[in-house]
Amino acid sequence: SQQGEEDPQALSIQEGENATMNCSYKTSINNLQWYRQNSGRGLVHLILIRSNEREKHSGRLRVTLDTSKKSSSLLITASRAADTASYFCATDVEGTYKYIFGTGTRLKVLA
Amino acid sequence: EAGVVQSPRYKIIEKKQPVAFWCNPISGHNTLYWYRQNLGQGPELLIRYENEEAVDDSQLPKDRFSAERLKGVDSTLKIQPAELGDSAVYLCASSRSGTTYNEQFFGPGTRLTVL
Repeated sequence: SQQGEEDPQALSIQEGENATMNCSYKTSINNLQWYRQNSGRGLVHLILIRSNEREKHSGRLRVTLDTSKKSSSLLITASRAADTASYFCATDVEGTYKYIFGTGTRLKVLA
Repeated sequence: EAGVVQSPRYKIIEKKQPVAFWCNPISGHNTLYWYRQNLGQGPELLIRYENEEAVDDSQLPKDRFSAERLKGVDSTLKIQPAELGDSAVYLCASSRSGTTYNEQFFGPGTRLTVL
């Protein structure tokens, strides 16, 4: 079963705009990770945020984590056509070493 | 460094036939994962290895699925017999150790179609 759910399921924006996607999860976690998957390819790790962190940046990516609401958001600033992909959050259930992936947000950036 | 290698990339079989997928993780990565990804969904963990030991196979349908990682390096996932519902992409991933603070590196996956 999927622990995380991304919202929205699909997002279409113009190049240069910002894209925000959200992830909600159900159980306590040690960390949350975001991955990108281009069409027909494997997943690529983007960023990891630990449960004691609230915000993290990496290039054009900004991730926030609110453990009280069991939610995270991924912001991609100044989007590019190459950002077109599916984005997944993955959480490790506290006390296990198991990653559970969400259902994904399909982002389309129009040139 | 070379990434996670998977073969074959595509496989089409008739139902009730057996099928096997192979994965070679990144050198030095002790932890190996097999995931199944259905269309439009996120990956779901099937089995996790620490070296040659399967430490989490709770999601593996053991009546038809089996996996091995004999020398703690490459791994094989087998389905016998395959069913229509097994059509999916099978992803292999590896990471440096068993902690979840290490990112997982994914292979390109094997797309299985069962007819």
